[in-house]
Parts: sequence; C-alpha cells; structure tokens
Amino acid sequence: QSVLTQPPSVSGAPGQRVTISCTGSSSNIGAGYDVHWYQQLPGTAPKLLIYGNSNRPSGVPDRFSGSKSGTSASLAITGLQAEDEADYYCQSYDSSLSGSGVFGTGTKVTVL
Amino acid sequence: EVQLVQSGAEVKKPGESLKISCKGSGYSFTSYWIGWVRQMPGKGLEWMGIIYPGDSDTRYSPSFQGQVTISADKSISTAYLQWSSLKASDTAMYYCVRSAGLVYYFDYWGQGTLVTVSS
Repeated sequence: QSVLTQPPSVSGAPGQRVTISCTGSSSNIGAGYDVHWYQQLPGTAPKLLIYGNSNRPSGVPDRFSGSKSGTSASLAITGLQAEDEADYYCQSYDSSLSGSGVFGTGTKVTVL
Repeated sequence: EVQLVQSGAEVKKPGESLKISCKGSGYSFTSYWIGWVRQMPGKGLEWMGIIYPGDSDTRYSPSFQGQVTISADKSISTAYLQWSSLKASDTAMYYCVRSAGLVYYFDYWGQGTLVTVSS
C-alpha cells in the first residue's frame, strides 16, 4: 500500500499543459526528502524523468518540470505530445517504514 | 555504459523456490545500492528492498520483509532476489534498479524479469 497518493489519470490535448500531484506526509515528503519522477511507456521499464524534486537527467526534454512544497510535489508537462502518453510515478523515502523507499500510486497520462 | 541485465522469464508452480539475478556492468558495482521493484499485472510500482553490495547492508520494505531474500555476489557484480516458496500472488514483473543511496533516485533500471506462478 503506497503512502504517496497520485491522481489515477489526467488527460490533455496536444500542446496543452498537464500537472500530476504527489501527496505525502510528514514522514516522507514533508520531512524534507526529495521527490523523484519516473515515466513508464507501455510495455517498457520505467525511466528516470526528474530527480531531486526539479532536476532533469540528460536527454529529458525541458517541457518536463518538477516542484515540491510542504508535503506534496508536482510534475508538469507543457506542450503535451502524443509520445508523452504513459504512466508516471513519484518516488521518495519514508522514515517511518524501516528505511524504505516508496512509490506513488501512479498516474496515467492520456493525450486526447 | 552502465547496464543492469536481468535473468530471463520464469514459469513456476506454487510452493517452488526461485532466484532471479541482476548483473551490473559499466560502473563500480560495490559503490552503489541495488534495489528491487515489483509490478504486478496492470498495477503500479512497489519498492521491495535494497542492498549495498560493498558490505551487504540490506533493507526491506515492511510489506516484503520475510517474504523474499535479497543478496549480492560482488565477485561477479550480480544481485539476487529469491523466494523459498512461491505463491500465485508473486506473479509479477520484477525490476532491479541502481541507486546512489537509500534516499536517492533510481537512475538505471534492468529490463525486468517476468515471474509467472501457476499450477
């Protein structure tokens, strides 16, 4: 059972901006632990998309951006493209779970 | 080039044991943590546990503690995930991942190993 909550789905037309929230608590995001984001295209392994709340690995387009505030974090996709249709997961660390990493519940992004 | 290469798909019966592997290359295997992530059919990602091959320090998610064993053989740069008695509910894709530390992100992922448990 995940301790990081995401909306099950979000959708947008090509070119639009969508955001995905990741809500945690005082033992994970609220405790100051970084949030990271992954993109999973259909039938493939997840890929690191954002690390350390707002940093993009080399090769990730700048239309992907991340932010964090309080006990929540967000992933924004601007200029939505068809190839962005995928599942997105946030990830952090939870000090109440015996030193355990945690994933969000996942969000399916649909490009209309 | 950093790579994590996992062993192939497995089909097992309930009650059988299994050990799957993840071989790291292109980096210092003993300087990074290797974790395991479960993805059940049609479901999300679940953090199972993580090991530091340098000294075999291992941590488990409470959900998986006692259900699986994570180990590593640094002489051959390989990490393992094993079950002593599989259940049908263990049917899932399992990914190994690399991390710089317990609170860090997973920068490299293996291709996944599909485990099917069926009578």
